[in-house]
Amino acid sequence: GQQLNQSPQSMFIQEGEDVSMNCTSSSIFNTWLWYKQDPGEGPVLLIALYKAGELTSNGRLTAQFGITRKDSFLNISASIPSDVGIYFCAGFINNDMRFGAGTRLTVKP
Amino acid sequence: DAGITQSPRHKVTETGTPVTLRCHQTENHRYMYWYRQDPGHGLRLIHYSYGVKDTDKGEVSDGYSVSRSKTEDFLLTLESATSSQTSVYFCAISEFNILNTGGSEAFFGQGTRLTVV
Repeated sequence: GQQLNQSPQSMFIQEGEDVSMNCTSSSIFNTWLWYKQDPGEGPVLLIALYKAGELTSNGRLTAQFGITRKDSFLNISASIPSDVGIYFCAGFINNDMRFGAGTRLTVKP
Repeated sequence: DAGITQSPRHKVTETGTPVTLRCHQTENHRYMYWYRQDPGHGLRLIHYSYGVKDTDKGEVSDGYSVSRSKTEDFLLTLESATSSQTSVYFCAISEFNILNTGGSEAFFGQGTRLTVV
C-alpha cells in the first residue's frame, strides 16, 4: 500500500519561530489531512486539502496540497508553547487512508 | 469534544490472555474505527464498523476481532494477547465513511495504552 514519509521526525524550536514540515509519497492522493495530537490525547483535525495546489490556512497554520499530488506541507508561523505535540499527515485515495509517522514538535519558551 | 470514551485508558496484561477494549460514543455516528499507533508508524486501521453488527477488516486485523451490538459501542478484542500487540489503540467515529470521503469528518478518542508482558 501507499507509504507516507513525514519529515522531520522531530523539531526543537524557540518560541516565535516559524515551523515547516512535510509529507511525501511515491503515490498520489486525492485528499491530504493534517492532524495534531497533544500528549495523552487523540489526533484532532487541523486542515483538510482536497485539490492539487490548494493552499489553506487555519489561524497560524497553513497547509498546501502539492501539485504533483504526492506531497503536502504544513507551516506554523510564530510558534507558541501550546503548539507542542505530534503533527500527523494523512493521505486518502480509493477507499484507503494512510497516516504518516508524525513530526514531534517541541517549543522552547 | 466529540462524545467518545475509550476504556480502559491504560492496561497491562499477560501474554496469552484475552483483552477487550471498549469505545463508547454519544454522537449516534454510524461509522466507528479502531486504529493502533506505534512508534515510527502512522495510525493503522485494525477494523471498522459501518453499522450495528456490520464490520470489516482493516490493514492490520490479524489477532483482533470486533463487535458492535449497539450503535454507541464498538469493542475490540485481542483473543490471545501477544507482545507485538503492545500499542496505543485509538477509536474514531464519523458520520460518513472516512474511507470513502477522505477522513475529514473523523473524531478520535483519547486512546488506550495497552502493554502485553
